[in-house]
Amino acid sequence: EAQVTQNPRYLITVTGKKLTVTCSQNMNHEYMSWYRQDPGLGLRQIYYSMNVEVTDKGDVPEGYKVSRKEKRNFPLILESPSPNQTSLYFCASGSIHTSTDTQYFGPGTRLTVL
Amino acid sequence: EDQVTQSPEALRLQEGESSSLNCSYTVSGLRGLFWYRQDPGKGPEFLFTLYSAGEEKEKERLKATLTKKESFLHITAPKPEDSATYLCAVRNSGNTPLVFGKGTRLSVIA
Repeated sequence: EAQVTQNPRYLITVTGKKLTVTCSQNMNHEYMSWYRQDPGLGLRQIYYSMNVEVTDKGDVPEGYKVSRKEKRNFPLILESPSPNQTSLYFCASGSIHTSTDTQYFGPGTRLTVL
Repeated sequence: EDQVTQSPEALRLQEGESSSLNCSYTVSGLRGLFWYRQDPGKGPEFLFTLYSAGEEKEKERLKATLTKKESFLHITAPKPEDSATYLCAVRNSGNTPLVFGKGTRLSVIA
């Protein structure tokens, strides 16, 4: 089954404790992205990657890091989480070719930083 | 700067009462306009991609249309299971990331 998976699905942590949220896709997509979703603000892009070893900042990159060492994986790293990073996070993947422009989203990771 | 505005923010319909959701956009060269459905606490689920003015796509009770400035998602005879938040997004011709609207929260009452 074609899908985007994220782990963990739920996480409660404390300020300053480094964490990583994993994202994996099995559709051989070049493009992968991370979003956060907050009430009243909608989906905002954090980072994206057009291919292996190519990453770019989205709209709200501060406090986050990413890496793209393999095509299927795109982990999101919070080196020193703060309470304002409490949010619902989504990973997405898609093809970069014009004819198939759809992005597919993972199930989400709900993060709470105390 | 690319922008997407969705209206209304929330819509409450009786079962069978058809209506339309609006997505107004400004973009420097539209590459694609996307509609997604999102259930509470879940990831957005892809519905449609529209590429050029005049294009229409249908799926069950949903029909998406596109003009040069806006897109409509028409819902015909909705059922309670159509209740969700509907998101609109655009991508410009520079292959930059998607820009999402804030969504329309649809409630269909039996």
